[in-house]
Amino acid sequence: DTAVSQTPKYLVTQMGNDKSIKCEQNLGHDTMYWYKQDSKKFLKIMFSYNNKELIINETVPNRFSPKSPDKAHLNLHINSLELGDSAVYFCASSQLGSNIQYFGAGTRLSVL
Amino acid sequence: EDQVTQSPEALRLQEGESSSLNCSYTVSGLRGLFWYRQDPGKGPEFLFTLYSAGEEKEKERLKATLTKKESFLHITAPKPEDSATYLCAVQTGTASKLTFGTGTRLQVTL
Repeated sequence: DTAVSQTPKYLVTQMGNDKSIKCEQNLGHDTMYWYKQDSKKFLKIMFSYNNKELIINETVPNRFSPKSPDKAHLNLHINSLELGDSAVYFCASSQLGSNIQYFGAGTRLSVL
Repeated sequence: EDQVTQSPEALRLQEGESSSLNCSYTVSGLRGLFWYRQDPGKGPEFLFTLYSAGEEKEKERLKATLTKKESFLHITAPKPEDSATYLCAVQTGTASKLTFGTGTRLQVTL
């Protein structure tokens, strides 16, 4: 059983479109994250939710909106996609107090 | 702002040739330093957490050490399966935010 799963694994879309990436964890963790890894492999945090409450919100364009329907799910919706949004997006989860984050396999987004 | 710098950017070793990867950091109030391994097409996989200067952790051929300014990941007698990108990250503040370095891409050849 995959601990942190993301769908889709690959996403190819045109500029200006709106797309969503889904993330689910079955580890019973209460904190979830979205990271962006650029072409140079630099991994940077975007958002974090703890028990459905936003606790980290880095400098990310308003076109990116995370949504957490429950503590096992954290989805990422992106409006009006731009070329610069092309990257690999990783979801992660951790248990408050542990600080060890477990990552999904990533979603490779290509904006044409 | 927290900064994490890893060196070298890439490292090629022969099987059995030991070496060290460096992670230097500039932070205010380190809560923890993390090492992760990332294989191509996969997410980072947790290896170690270090909390205070002088601390060491070991796992198979890997040993992580921490000082007040940097951390080293020592690889003893590496094997081809150790080939991966090794990422260092620091945690500061009260939130669980990790600030990552850009990684060291390790290739171990026969």
